[in-house]
Amino acid sequence: DTAVSQTPKYLVTQMGNDKSIKCEQNLGHDTMYWYKQDSKKFLKIMFSYNNKELIINETVPNRFSPKSPDKAHLNLHINSLELGDSAVYFCASSPGYRSEKLFFGSGTQLSVL
Amino acid sequence: TQLLEQSPQFLSIQEGENLTVYCNSSSVFSSLQWYRQEPGEGPVLLVTVVTGGEVKKLKRLTFQFGDARKDSSLHITAAQTGDTGLYLCAGVYAGNNRKLIWGLGTSLAVNP
Repeated sequence: DTAVSQTPKYLVTQMGNDKSIKCEQNLGHDTMYWYKQDSKKFLKIMFSYNNKELIINETVPNRFSPKSPDKAHLNLHINSLELGDSAVYFCASSPGYRSEKLFFGSGTQLSVL
Repeated sequence: TQLLEQSPQFLSIQEGENLTVYCNSSSVFSSLQWYRQEPGEGPVLLVTVVTGGEVKKLKRLTFQFGDARKDSSLHITAAQTGDTGLYLCAGVYAGNNRKLIWGLGTSLAVNP
């Protein structure tokens, strides 16, 4: 069983569209994250949820909205996609909110045309 | 603000060689993690170091945390092609224990 699974693996869409990426973890962790990795491979934290409560909300356009229906799921919805949103998005989880041991999904490659 | 610097940025070596990559900061970290990322996959945690001066070994990989907890190194002995990947360090900043600060990574290619 995959510990942190995110879907889809690839997402190709037109500018202006709305899309969602789903993430689920079966590790029993309390904290989940969304990261964006740009073309230079830099990992930038976007959001973090601990037991469904938002604890990290970086400077991200409000077109990005995370939703955590329960502590095993953290989805990312993106409205009005722009060219600059093209990147690889990673979901991750950790046992606690101190980010001391992250488990990552395999990523979603988003391409906005 | 980029607080963690990794060097070298790129490294291409032959199988069997030894190498060291570095992770440096001007800030103190309460802990530091090393991850390896392979193409098309997410980063995978290799080790966490928490005590200044700590040395941890994982088979042919040796990790060291600086005495002042501002820097770390990863030494690989007799590199293998399977060691190829992006090596990322990430620190939990002593002043903000919720957010990981990431380096830009060292891209390692081990050639047969």
